[in-house]
Amino acid sequence: EAGVAQSPRYKIIEKRQSVAFWCNPISGHATLYWYQQILGQGPKLLIQFQNNGVVDDSQLPKDRFSAERLKGVDSTLKIQPAKLEDSAVYLCASSPGQGYNQPQHFGDGTRLSIL
Amino acid sequence: AQKITQTQPGMFVQEKEAVTLDCTYDTSDQSYGLFWYKQPSSGEMIFLIYQGSYDEQNATEGRYSLNFQKARKSANLVISASQLGDSAMYFCAMREGAALMDSNYQLIWGAGTKLIIKP
Repeated sequence: EAGVAQSPRYKIIEKRQSVAFWCNPISGHATLYWYQQILGQGPKLLIQFQNNGVVDDSQLPKDRFSAERLKGVDSTLKIQPAKLEDSAVYLCASSPGQGYNQPQHFGDGTRLSIL
Repeated sequence: AQKITQTQPGMFVQEKEAVTLDCTYDTSDQSYGLFWYKQPSSGEMIFLIYQGSYDEQNATEGRYSLNFQKARKSANLVISASQLGDSAMYFCAMREGAALMDSNYQLIWGAGTKLIIKP
């Protein structure tokens, strides 16, 4: 079974520019997650989708971050405008459902550097 | 209060030795799941093993096993016969849930343990 696909793998932009990340979850996985991971820390959930609906976006900085999951499959995460503190690895994960026994499977991540 | 505690920021282990990575958790829920993930320096997060709160047997996946002590709220990861490729950051995580199939609770992460295997 194909894993979670993410692109790009690396991105370098200047502050105040915009950037977008793409994620394709494992086939059949209804739940999709975007995480931000600052170097040396555990992942922080930004947004969780169930099919194409948002379940939890309480930690998403909505003044600059946006995410969508049209048609309940692929998802994009956008940052506009970027700040220096957005430098991090952005991880996408998916799981079959939302239950507590459902492991989340992660993509390779996008390493974002803001200059 | 910390819900997931990993007390070992870093560990050095000789190749081929067994490794135990500590994880304690705090929850008042009866239903919850415990997960271990591996993150190599390349950045990807790899799911290793899962233990449910109602599981009576310790989970095993190849060289990985989970030493689950429910009364002590402990879920230590054991790696048998360590290899150089096991060098990575290891995260313990927990997901609480009132019901098996319907939970909106977030995955709660520990701070991680950096494991380095020496040749």
